[in-house]
Amino acid sequence: EVQLLESGGGLVQPGGSLRLSCAASGFTFSNIAMSWVRQAPGKGLEWVSVISGSGGTTYYADSVKGRFTISRDNSENTLNLQMNILRAEDTAVYYCAKLRGLNWRYYFDYWGQGTLVTVSS
Amino acid sequence: DIVMTQTPLSLSVTPGQPASISCKSSQSLLHSDGKTYLYWYLQKPGQPPQLLIYEVSNRFSGVPDRFSGSGSGTDFTLKISRVEAEDVGVYYCMQSIQLPWTFGQGTKVEIK
Repeated sequence: EVQLLESGGGLVQPGGSLRLSCAASGFTFSNIAMSWVRQAPGKGLEWVSVISGSGGTTYYADSVKGRFTISRDNSENTLNLQMNILRAEDTAVYYCAKLRGLNWRYYFDYWGQGTLVTVSS
Repeated sequence: DIVMTQTPLSLSVTPGQPASISCKSSQSLLHSDGKTYLYWYLQKPGQPPQLLIYEVSNRFSGVPDRFSGSGSGTDFTLKISRVEAEDVGVYYCMQSIQLPWTFGQGTKVEIK
């Protein structure tokens, strides 16, 4: 059974940093691209970032490029998102998602329960 | 970026009746590999999204056959043949033919 468990959310001041993690199990983690998707309170879904199975290739939404860094530890089956220079508009539930597909035309087949990040003074 | 536009934004349905949601993309989602990269998700209240349909018309594992997807190019439809109480939530379409992957605004389905 695929399980994705996010952690690391919380309250942070504007300009601050936070590191999210996602513990994965139930599949061969190192073979699978992974992604973060966020959802602002009462709003829709926004793709944030994706990383290849090896960790060698990453992509970001323009809204977070240069501020967020996605990474993974395949020895620990963990996905991470380092978020720096946080803004109020980064306030959202952040979901870790497993991907399926090929050649960067992926889709999300399993999602974690999410972790809430609140950026406020 | 590809813009995904869903209609309607909300829907109130009597149990047992059909429902239909439209999704239009600003560019064709048909790739030269022959696949069309359009997906449907349902987010039930208080839960993360769950995959319903992949590549226009393929039901994901465990998805009831009352859900069906159709369409081509830039116009797509999700149909629920007979709505049940457990189908309430927000439905999203999504494209992944190119980055950034983008979602529709969501269609909220409620039961009358």
